[in-house]
Amino acid sequence: QKEVEQNSGPLSVPEGAIASLNCTYSDRGSQSFFWYRQYSGKSPELIMSIYSNGDKEDGRFTAQLNKASQYVSLLIRDSQPSDSATYLCAVKRYTGNQFYFGTGTSLTVIP
Amino acid sequence: DTGVSQDPRHKITKRGQNVTFRCDPISEHNRLYWYRQTLGQGPEFLTYFQNEAQLEKSRLLSDRFSAERPKGSFSTLEIQRTEQGDSAMYLCASSSSTGTLHQPQHFGDGTRLSIL
Repeated sequence: QKEVEQNSGPLSVPEGAIASLNCTYSDRGSQSFFWYRQYSGKSPELIMSIYSNGDKEDGRFTAQLNKASQYVSLLIRDSQPSDSATYLCAVKRYTGNQFYFGTGTSLTVIP
Repeated sequence: DTGVSQDPRHKITKRGQNVTFRCDPISEHNRLYWYRQTLGQGPEFLTYFQNEAQLEKSRLLSDRFSAERPKGSFSTLEIQRTEQGDSAMYLCASSSSTGTLHQPQHFGDGTRLSIL
């Protein structure tokens, strides 16, 4: 079982819609969760981090964490064509300092 | 904050040659990570330093790969006797161990390695 799993997509949404990206993780001891955006040929860029159960909002982005179900999600409201990218979920365990990444979900926002 | 810097941005070399990449982390960050990323995959952990100490190394990492961080600042990643399968983007990331437990990583622009 992979540490972090994401639906690879591609996910297509029309401009202005809500994009929903999901991620599950296998280690219940995971403590920190991150969403990165990666444009083609570029390096990952941190969007949001979340550590506690519930929702965390930052502008158009909302991260949701459910530790009991071992999933974390990212909602992008009012999606823009510039949001078209691959979104990587990363998880850090309580022990050790290694970060585990999913394979990413490709998002396309259609104008 | 000048960000994480990696050099070179691109490297093309023949199979069997040795290559070395450099990473300069964000100045106040004491943790440094190396990853490899291939098309359609997420970053794959290679190794991790806290200050000058190499604390974790992937079990999947071939002994042709070696990394150093001699003074706890910049780091180098060397690949000896390169193979076709080494073609990938090599990413460096840094983070801080101070403050909150949940410090994120910040990535450099990566070094794209192509093996001919």
